[in-house]
Amino acid sequence: TQLLEQSPQFLSIQEGENLTVYCNSSSVFSSLQWYRQEPGEGPVLLVTVVTGGEVKKLKRLTFQFGDARKDSSLHITAAQPGDTGLYLCAGINSGGYQKVTFGIGTKLQVIP
Amino acid sequence: NAGVTQTPKFQVLKTGQSMTLQCAQDMNHEYMSWYRQDPGMGLRLIHYSVGAGITDQGEVPNGYNVSRSTTEDFPLRLLSAAPSQTSVYFCASSYYGQEGEQFFGPGTRLTVL
Repeated sequence: TQLLEQSPQFLSIQEGENLTVYCNSSSVFSSLQWYRQEPGEGPVLLVTVVTGGEVKKLKRLTFQFGDARKDSSLHITAAQPGDTGLYLCAGINSGGYQKVTFGIGTKLQVIP
Repeated sequence: NAGVTQTPKFQVLKTGQSMTLQCAQDMNHEYMSWYRQDPGMGLRLIHYSVGAGITDQGEVPNGYNVSRSTTEDFPLRLLSAAPSQTSVYFCASSYYGQEGEQFFGPGTRLTVL
């Protein structure tokens, strides 16, 4: 079973601060996804990174896929209260039935 | 489009009772799946379907049954509820399968006493 570790598990910061959350594994993935989940709702896809070393930007969010495709990071610049939520990474394999492995998530609270 | 809908939103069962969690999607996606989300465990795949009439087991299938008679609907049945099945259940659909973007429903919070 492939495991994805996310850190930190909890993060509480003031509005305007920067933060980085990490998603690490000992396994190689063909791609990696980041989802955001708000309380009482299902996860919503933010981005998919496919190539080792790839960097994608979504407004104030920057996603990076590690060169070896075993890890990823999400950096948020000038966090806003609307960024509050649970951030999940999901490692994707192209083979087998268990094609996606979810991390347990990073719960982010941005205080106004 | 409504996307993925789930009913009920909340449910309390007694041990041994059975029930069906409903899931429907209006995006004409072939791939649908059921996950459970527990604290400290992440999302775990229960069952999935790659099209009408085709279902298969995921990581944690015991105690659950599924069927897929139409493209739109993918109900999850709890045969004899146990406290270990207390969880939040999410249904998801996707055009490309698990590798593609999955669209999740709002979830059903189930408590088994």
